[in-house]
Amino acid sequence: NAGVMQNPRHLVRRRGQEARLRCSPMKGHSHVYWYRQLPEEGLKFMVYLQKENIIDESGMPKERFSAEFPKEGPSILRIQQVVRGDSAAYFCASSPVSAGYTGELFFGEGSRLTVL
Amino acid sequence: QQQVKQSPQSLIVQKGGISIINCAYENTAFDYFPWYQQFPGKGPALLIAIRPDVSEKKEGRFTISFNKSAKQFSLHIMDSQPGDSATYFCAAVIYNQGGKLIFGQGTELSVKP
Repeated sequence: NAGVMQNPRHLVRRRGQEARLRCSPMKGHSHVYWYRQLPEEGLKFMVYLQKENIIDESGMPKERFSAEFPKEGPSILRIQQVVRGDSAAYFCASSPVSAGYTGELFFGEGSRLTVL
Repeated sequence: QQQVKQSPQSLIVQKGGISIINCAYENTAFDYFPWYQQFPGKGPALLIAIRPDVSEKKEGRFTISFNKSAKQFSLHIMDSQPGDSATYFCAAVIYNQGGKLIFGQGTELSVKP
């Protein structure tokens, strides 16, 4: 059973460009979470999605960031008009049920975004 | 408040020693407290977790101690090994609020041979 797959693993963008990060959850997992990790900081919750629905986006910046988890295909985290402060590691995690019940999330290896 | 404070930020321990990482929280609505381990270049992975109705949980060399009245919990790694060198995150979650884990800032553990 393959783990959570994220791509690209590394992405370099210039200021003003768009970044698209993809996440395929583990087989059988319908709950997807996105977290951001800045240097020397912990993991910050961004958004929680189920298929075709955004359940909790309380951690998403109000502008330039969006996320989706379509009926078919991977979850996408989209960052428009990137700025240097967006440089970070973005982790996707999945779970078979809400992580509120188990506390367990299965993380991918992350996508490291560098904005020049 | 939806915060979990973790200390120390970094920790160096000799092989065979005990590593202790502490976390504190404010929100009494939290009802599950997992610990995650992250190796460089990898995603975090669940290590051990505890509910607040239990004061201690042990799995192998890893033990969580929980003090509900003080709103604190800690991870003890007994007989620490170089392979334990990683970043450790405590976290907290509210059972019926969708599974949004709130993570501490992380502790970078280095176990010297």
